[in-house]
Amino acid sequence: AQKVTQAQTEISVVEKEDVTLDCVYETRDTTYYLFWYKQPPSGELVFLIRRNSFDEQNEISGRYSWNFQKSTSSFNFTITASQVVDSAVYFCALSPDSGNTPLVFGKGTRLSVIA
Amino acid sequence: DTEVTQTPKHLVMGMTNKKSLKCEQHMGHRAMYWYKQKAKKPPELMFVYSYEKLSINESVPSRFSPECPNSSLLNLHLHALQPEDSALYLCASSHPRHQPQHFGDGTRLSIL
Repeated sequence: AQKVTQAQTEISVVEKEDVTLDCVYETRDTTYYLFWYKQPPSGELVFLIRRNSFDEQNEISGRYSWNFQKSTSSFNFTITASQVVDSAVYFCALSPDSGNTPLVFGKGTRLSVIA
Repeated sequence: DTEVTQTPKHLVMGMTNKKSLKCEQHMGHRAMYWYKQKAKKPPELMFVYSYEKLSINESVPSRFSPECPNSSLLNLHLHALQPEDSALYLCASSHPRHQPQHFGDGTRLSIL
């Protein structure tokens, strides 16, 4: 079965704090892709990152960083020095090689950054 | 501004009305998607078109009817909807197979 678990439903932090959003996935495929999307209150989902199952290198983009660990089936997302504009719902998603579903979403984590 | 354009942004309709949601992209993507999203839930896949052919229908009721007139356009025709169909309807597009999906702003649909 393909599944993505985001155990944190809601997180609140004060501006400038660092915050990590957890994502754990399940798949039997050896080839798969992982994604993070941001959904601000306006509604559109904004693509943040894609990582394939053969590339465990961590990635940093400005204040955003991602830690992919196949050993624990996790793909965690850290925001450094959070800002109010980071307030949104963040979805982790899995694109498995098998099956028909192109993208399996986690339930999302609602992040509130308070000034 | 997103690269996937959805119209209208808001729609209120009665249960007997017929309306259509529209989605347009000019990124050369050959896969297009319709999702339904209820409040505080993740997007739920409804339909996938690949190279203008319907490839996935996630057992969606027939009161929702998708159409892909060409590679840039995707429509969702609505007829005899129920109040529980009120939701945010998102369109997305991508290159096929594991590529990032690009989403529109969505249409907020309310059924009276």
